[in-house]
Amino acid sequence: GQSLEQPSEVTAVEGAIVQINCTYQTSGFYGLSWYQQHDGGAPTFLSYNALDGLEETGRFSSFLSRSDSYGYLLLQELQMKDSASYFCAVRDIGGGNKLTFGTGTQLKVEL
Amino acid sequence: NAGVTQTPKFRVLKTGQSMTLLCAQDMNHEYMYWYRQDPGMGLRLIHYSVGEGTTAKGEVPDGYNVSRLKKQNFLLGLESAAPSQTSVYFCASSTPDGTSGGRYTQYFGPGTRLTVL
Repeated sequence: GQSLEQPSEVTAVEGAIVQINCTYQTSGFYGLSWYQQHDGGAPTFLSYNALDGLEETGRFSSFLSRSDSYGYLLLQELQMKDSASYFCAVRDIGGGNKLTFGTGTQLKVEL
Repeated sequence: NAGVTQTPKFRVLKTGQSMTLLCAQDMNHEYMYWYRQDPGMGLRLIHYSVGEGTTAKGEVPDGYNVSRLKKQNFLLGLESAAPSQTSVYFCASSTPDGTSGGRYTQYFGPGTRLTVL
């Protein structure tokens, strides 16, 4: 099976940099994804790491280390609109391209 | 494109009632998924489908049934609703290789908020 752990809540100030960690135990996976979800909204895709290393997309970067069973999402130049929940998810090996999600981290951005 | 749409947006049921949630996508995706989201538990996969006429169980399938009679639609049924099924239900879809620019992506609908009394 798969299990992913994230901190439940992170608080940061506008303009700062914040890192949201994800540690996992899996029986194998293709890659690690990150999704953003605003209150009452749908999850939306942010980033995906198939290989170890850093992937950068604008203000967001994601990192994966398979040897450490660890990944993180890095958000730079924080804005108030970044206040949301962030979920890591592994793409399972096997049919169906299933995702197993972590429990989510609520990010609060303060002035 | 509307993307992934879900009907209804909100519903209140009494214990023992039945209902069907409808998911539709206009992106011609082969794969579709039903998740439930409960506070503090993230999203959990209920059932999924890799093509028209095929369905498979996910992590939490008990109490639910699904059908994929048309490629663009994926239905989730509750035959006898229970309070434990109070949740937010999300539908998602993807292509078989799931890639968009080399990055695996699922596209989610807006969700259905279900309360079972």
